[in-house]
Amino acid sequence: GENVEQHPSTLSVQEGDSAVIKCTYSDSASNYFPWYKQELGKRPQLIIDIRSNVGEKKDQRIAVTLNKTAKHFSLHITETQPEDSAVYFCAAPSWRETSGSRLTFGEGTQLTVNP
Amino acid sequence: DTEVTQTPKHLVMGMTNKKSLKCEQHMGHRAMYWYKQKAKKPPELMFVYSYEKLSINESVPSRFSPECPNSSLLNLHLHALQPEDSALYLCASSQLDNNYGYTFGSGTRLTVV
Repeated sequence: GENVEQHPSTLSVQEGDSAVIKCTYSDSASNYFPWYKQELGKRPQLIIDIRSNVGEKKDQRIAVTLNKTAKHFSLHITETQPEDSAVYFCAAPSWRETSGSRLTFGEGTQLTVNP
Repeated sequence: DTEVTQTPKHLVMGMTNKKSLKCEQHMGHRAMYWYKQKAKKPPELMFVYSYEKLSINESVPSRFSPECPNSSLLNLHLHALQPEDSALYLCASSQLDNNYGYTFGSGTRLTVV
């Protein structure tokens, strides 16, 4: 099955700085890589995703890059703001004929943006 | 409609109670999921339904019983739970086989007393 590793587990930055979170995956057939932001007591919210036919996707201050050869993908947040403070999860899918599709999550990164 | 709706938002139940969690989506997603999430941990997969049929059961104890009445609805029936089952229960849905648009509901915060 899929194995997803996420680093770092905690990240503290100053407001205005950039933050980068990295994930690696094991299943070379994986083709969809979402990132979720989870604030305390709330649900994981999809903030950006990338499909395997592109190498980079950007949405305002958030970008995701994908290297399929190396099997890693990264979340980049520029000009960080205190409201970016949350736990971020990466995920990768795997599909098995006998059991269908599932999404495997990384362990999460606690991002703290200090004013 | 791009939402997954879960009810109730909070639930406190005794160990002898029977209760149900409900989930609804109208995005045409044919895959629906139940997750359990403990504090500071990633969501942990419990069940997957594909085309209203159970396709994955992650060795979940039988005190949790899922049901998918139709393509828009997903229930989780709870009976004889233990205090360690207290957690955030999340429903999710996605396009089948490629996981595109994987969307979580707002969750039910369950406390077992």
